[in-house]
Amino acid sequence: AQSVTQPDIHITVSEGASLELRCNYSYGATPYLFWYVQSPGQGLQLLLKYFSGDTLVQGIKGFEAEFKRSQSSFNLRKPSVHWSDAAEYFCAVADNNNDMRFGAGTRLTVKP
Amino acid sequence: DAGVTQSPTHLIKTRGQHVTLRCSPISGHKSVSWYQQVLGQGPQFIFQYYEKEERGRGNFPDRFSARQFPNYSSELNVNALLLGDSALYLCASSLGSALRNFGQGTRLTVV
Repeated sequence: AQSVTQPDIHITVSEGASLELRCNYSYGATPYLFWYVQSPGQGLQLLLKYFSGDTLVQGIKGFEAEFKRSQSSFNLRKPSVHWSDAAEYFCAVADNNNDMRFGAGTRLTVKP
Repeated sequence: DAGVTQSPTHLIKTRGQHVTLRCSPISGHKSVSWYQQVLGQGPQFIFQYYEKEERGRGNFPDRFSARQFPNYSSELNVNALLLGDSALYLCASSLGSALRNFGQGTRLTVV
């Protein structure tokens, strides 16, 4: 079965600084990969997804992620963080049966 | 267009009681999935339904059950509630692919 690891439980960055959130997955075939964002008490909003093709994926709110098969990684990046980006970020992987598994999440704090 | 809607948004139940959570998918979506998100953790897969048939089940006890109706809406039922069932329950709908659209969730508190 597939699994997802987000090594960083909590990250703090200054507003305007760059951001990278790490995600590693375990899956035998090419997975479907996702990044979701969640504000406190809210549902999950899709930031971006990778199904196939170009390994650099652009998402909403200025986020991007790169699929690296050799490293089993799908790290999320943003060149300049805004205070409104403070939230919980979840990486997820799905298989051909559409069984979706989530990582434990990374909480992002943005310092003024 | 209406997104995935869940009801109620919040509820409080007593240990041992039963609860029913409801989910209406995006129009045209035939698949509904349920997830449990305990505070401080990622969502855990409970069930997936497609065209009214169960397509997947996570590692949850038999106290958890679900069904999907002809209009593709879904109910999640939990019997004999335990304190540990307190969580945010998320519903997601999809056209049948891996891409899911999530609702805002139902916050269940068991006291």
